[in-house]
Amino acid sequence: NAGVTQTPKFQVLKTGQSMTLQCAQDMNHEYMSWYRQDPGMGLRLIHYSVGAGITDQGEVPNGYNVSRSTTEDFPLRLLSAAPSQTSVYFCASSYIRTGGAYGYTFGSGTRLTVV
Amino acid sequence: GNSVTQMEGPVTLSEEAFLTINCTYTATGYPSLFWYVQYPGEGLQLLLKATKADDKGSNKGFEATYRKETTSFHLEKGSVQVSDSAVYFCALSSNFGNEKLTFGTGTRLTIIP
Repeated sequence: NAGVTQTPKFQVLKTGQSMTLQCAQDMNHEYMSWYRQDPGMGLRLIHYSVGAGITDQGEVPNGYNVSRSTTEDFPLRLLSAAPSQTSVYFCASSYIRTGGAYGYTFGSGTRLTVV
Repeated sequence: GNSVTQMEGPVTLSEEAFLTINCTYTATGYPSLFWYVQYPGEGLQLLLKATKADDKGSNKGFEATYRKETTSFHLEKGSVQVSDSAVYFCALSSNFGNEKLTFGTGTRLTIIP
């Protein structure tokens, strides 16, 4: 009963490097999303997906790309890392019900530092 | 757009004290409201939810009532324990087919024995 699995848990990047944060869920949830958590800012939505092949931008999408080729996986790509992307990243998934999604399941997070 | 405003922290209480963490919201229509809890080093967990006006969500001794007239969803617990030390987030989801969660900034709670 894995739920939402994020890898890696910790990562240090140099400015300009690229990397992919992985997220996988085994609950057959239609909805998946990426948030970043910064002190005093709460969680802010980066990108989200309502199903395989469908993605859309959230509140803070710049510098990040996503794709959703399967229901289970929703990777987040940083094409050219910047110090402003130092943050804790959370992946979350949910069923979509009439009236919206609620009761998300969150992964345990990836702490990213860009130097 | 949607927004959530919650009580600034940090909040420090003694064990067995009464807890209130204030949360107010701005949203169109009739959103669903949530409280999430984040323990140190972990992801967020759903604590409780309410999907319509006057609903009361409850879990683990925590309660919150959906007050449409005051656009509030305050979190309360009658007697806190050291194990309640965590960061608490208020959040909302619009019920107009918008699946996105909008979060408050979080309130860090520390309980002293």
